[in-house]
Amino acid sequence: EDQVTQSPEALRLQEGESSSLNCSYTVSGLRGLFWYRQDPGKGPEFLFTLYSAGEEKEKERLKATLTKKESFLHITAPKPEDSATYLCAVQAAGAQKLVFGQGTRLTINP
Amino acid sequence: DAGVIQSPRHEVTEMGQEVTLRCKPISGHNSLFWYRQTMMRGLELLIYFNNNVPIDDSGMPEDRFSAKMPNASFSTLKIQPSEPRDSAVYFCASSLRPGLAGHAGANVLTFGAGSRLTVL
Repeated sequence: EDQVTQSPEALRLQEGESSSLNCSYTVSGLRGLFWYRQDPGKGPEFLFTLYSAGEEKEKERLKATLTKKESFLHITAPKPEDSATYLCAVQAAGAQKLVFGQGTRLTINP
Repeated sequence: DAGVIQSPRHEVTEMGQEVTLRCKPISGHNSLFWYRQTMMRGLELLIYFNNNVPIDDSGMPEDRFSAKMPNASFSTLKIQPSEPRDSAVYFCASSLRPGLAGHAGANVLTFGAGSRLTVL
């Protein structure tokens, strides 16, 4: 069974304090690993798709990386507006559905 | 495009009542997904459709839950009778079926804002 585990559950940082969120996964052949951002009262918003180990993608202060067992979402010099829950999901080869982790709730204090 | 549109945004009902949640996917998308989100279990897939046909309903918790997609622009998720443990946020998401656009096989979902259901 495909599984996604995210850590930590919650992370509180000061503005400008860089850190990383972890997403560990087990999947029967990876077709894609996805990162989403979810703000309170809203639906998840797509950030990145990673397809193979060694791949990296960046968007503003966020950088996502992928290995064969895990993905990291690096946040560089975060701002309060980066506060949100970050969700990781995997799509197995031959499948269409996404399996999500529980998310990491990130709070950036000014 | 207005994105994925869900209604109602909030629903409070009493145990035993019927609940109907509605979703309008993005125009041109041919796959539609219903997810449920709770603090305990996170986001769980309930059912998904390709070209209005249900493909996988293994996540539907019980016979009390049913979903339909009568046409490409409308889907419903119905709970009858509702129970307090059904309280959750229900999300609808749509996508262009993998292989038809973008990276082959990648299924990028666009989510609606969700329907928050409270069953008393």
